Amino acid sequence: ETGVTQTPRHLVMGMTNKKSLKCEQHLGHNAMYWYKQSAKKPLELMFVYNFKEQTENNSVPSRFSPECPNSSHLFLHLHTLQPEDSALYLCASSQRLERGGGTQYFGPGTRLTVL
Amino acid sequence: GQQVMQIPQYQHVQEGEDFTTYCNSSTTLSNIQWYKQRPGGHPVFLIQLVKSGEVKKQKRLTFQFGEAKKNSSLHITATQTTDVGTYFCAGRRNQGGKLIFGQGTELSVKP
Repeated sequence: ETGVTQTPRHLVMGMTNKKSLKCEQHLGHNAMYWYKQSAKKPLELMFVYNFKEQTENNSVPSRFSPECPNSSHLFLHLHTLQPEDSALYLCASSQRLERGGGTQYFGPGTRLTVL
Repeated sequence: GQQVMQIPQYQHVQEGEDFTTYCNSSTTLSNIQWYKQRPGGHPVFLIQLVKSGEVKKQKRLTFQFGEAKKNSSLHITATQTTDVGTYFCAGRRNQGGKLIFGQGTELSVKP
C-alpha cells in the first residue's frame, strides 16, 4: 500500500460518455501527476500539479481535463474519448517538485476501456 | 527532445540465472530512478542514483550510474520467481525537471 488510492480501478465507457477518475494521496505530498500507460509504450506524463497549481501539460488533448482542488486530491475528467485512449491511467505523488523532484509514489491505476 | 532508452525490451531467464537491464539517455542526467512494476500492478520505486559512477546494492540487486551520467544499469544476481515484472528507469535532465521514463524491460523467470 503506497498511500495513493485511485477510483475506479476499472472503467468502460462509450465515446460520448463523460466520466471522472479520482486520485487521493495520504502522504502529505505537494506534487501530483497523471500518467498514461499504454501497452508496449513508456509511461507518458500528462499533467503535473504542484501546490494545486498546474505546472505541466504535455500537449494532452482537451478531451482530458484535470482538476486539483487541493494537494491531496486530483481528478481527471474525461469526455468524448477515442478508442485509442484506452490505457492504464496512473496517478502519482511526490513530496515536492523542487530539490530534485523526489520519489514518486504511484497509485494502483484505473484501467480505462473506451468502446 | 530528451529520450531514455532501455534494453532489452524482454528477457526470459531460468531461475538462478543473472539478469541485467540497461538504460541510456540522449542527454546528461541529474539523477536516475528505477521502478519495478509487477504484472497487473503499478510502478514501485526501487532506488535513486545521483552521483557520477555511483553504485548501490539492495540484496541481489545492483544499480549503477555511469561516469558520464548518461547511462545506468540494474543487475539482478541469481534471479527468483519473485523478480518477475517490468523494470523501468526514469531520468531527470535537471533538478526538478520532468521525469522521463524508459520503455521498460519485462523480466520473466522460469522456475
